[in-house]
Amino acid sequence: DAKTTQPTSMDCAEGRAANLPCNHSTISGNEYVYWYRQIHSQGPQYIIHGLKNNETNEMASLIITEDRKSSTLILPHATLRDTAVYYCIVRVTNAGGTSYGKLTFGQGTILTVHP
Amino acid sequence: DGGITQSPKYLFRKEGQNVTLSCEQNLNHDAMYWYRQDPGQGLRLIYYSQIVNDFQKGDIAEGYSVSREKKESFPLTVTSAQKNPTAFYLCASSIAGTGNQPQHFGDGTRLSIL
Repeated sequence: DAKTTQPTSMDCAEGRAANLPCNHSTISGNEYVYWYRQIHSQGPQYIIHGLKNNETNEMASLIITEDRKSSTLILPHATLRDTAVYYCIVRVTNAGGTSYGKLTFGQGTILTVHP
Repeated sequence: DGGITQSPKYLFRKEGQNVTLSCEQNLNHDAMYWYRQDPGQGLRLIYYSQIVNDFQKGDIAEGYSVSREKKESFPLTVTSAQKNPTAFYLCASSIAGTGNQPQHFGDGTRLSIL
């Protein structure tokens, strides 16, 4: 799976949009971009994923650049409960063997939402 | 509500003991996974199962064993052969098939050595 690069930490004011960037310059054509977040002492929570089109769900929007080398997760109205570590992951769609289904989490971005 | 239940939340093991971590899901997912997370690090895959009565080793299977006798259940046994078992253990499940199905996680079991 392609490697991702994220900023170590970011701050955001409550009620404002949080824009979390991710670089994945070595992404392959069959690799999806996934976003998860993890609040301390809990399991990772799935947020959103996409291949090349922008995606939106009830939690967030995912903007993928046309060359697919980077993406941005947008939390439109951040709340204090959005404080967490956010992970950007790229993953093949039809992996076989030992890489099937594996999610490779990097260090992620620590997002702190403040009042 | 559908979800993944891991128990217990905290578990303590004496040296030389085997312990079993429970993972149950009612999402009707075919695939299930076990990961280990150490402080300040990402997740590492221990074992995964795509279907009942079948499972494969992940990246760090040594010292662990699993079974998949029922679709809903994927227990992980940490054996005495695992020399550094203290960690946060996470179970996940997903729809099987193409690899672009998101995995959904339980809230984990934190294992410590006495």
